[in-house]
Amino acid sequence: DSGVTQTPKHLITATGQRVTLRCSPRSGDLSVYWYQQSLDQGLQFLIHYYNGEERAKGNILERFSAQQFPDLHSELNLSSLELGDSALYFCASRPPRYGYTFGSGTRLTVV
Amino acid sequence: ELKVEQNPLFLSMQEGKNYTIYCNYSTTSDRLYWYRQDPGKSLESLFVLLSNGAVKQEGRLMASLDTKARLSTLHITAAVHDLSATYFCAVDKAGNQFYFGTGTSLTVIP
Repeated sequence: DSGVTQTPKHLITATGQRVTLRCSPRSGDLSVYWYQQSLDQGLQFLIHYYNGEERAKGNILERFSAQQFPDLHSELNLSSLELGDSALYFCASRPPRYGYTFGSGTRLTVV
Repeated sequence: ELKVEQNPLFLSMQEGKNYTIYCNYSTTSDRLYWYRQDPGKSLESLFVLLSNGAVKQEGRLMASLDTKARLSTLHITAAVHDLSATYFCAVDKAGNQFYFGTGTSLTVIP
């Protein structure tokens, strides 16, 4: 157990729908990073939050949004889902000067 | 944009053999990371290399970093089947995100 908790582990939904992925960072970590992993795009950085504030944005679609709450958990909202959004979505947290600790991921399948 | 290139992309090797995976990156960074991923699983941290000349070893894996050449290597010694996985290198940019390489899919054949 890495200490980074992601739910749900699997999600199957239809095109056009909206889903919410949840992540709780390791105890004491203030940062949450979201990544998307698909076969054709590899590991793509989506967004970084630090202590409730957005710090960096990567290749995140306008249909996607995220936030980090006062208790430091984060939610990634994916809307108007398309088949191409099917992927593994990881969140990660990190202490300063160390690498990420990844959660177990959410496998999203859009049908 | 920072680019991170790994080669080879696919590696099939026999048990007992040695091989090296290369990771090149396009901009200055003093920190490089190696991860392992088993199919459908999360990424597991292997090594954190924090300075030029850093070398770290764990079991049959050894990672090194040359920041001047912008190159890191992951050397596999006497491969065993359990090492079959995908290996990613990643470079840290200003602490705000990692740039991951494309990954090297390693298959160790008995």
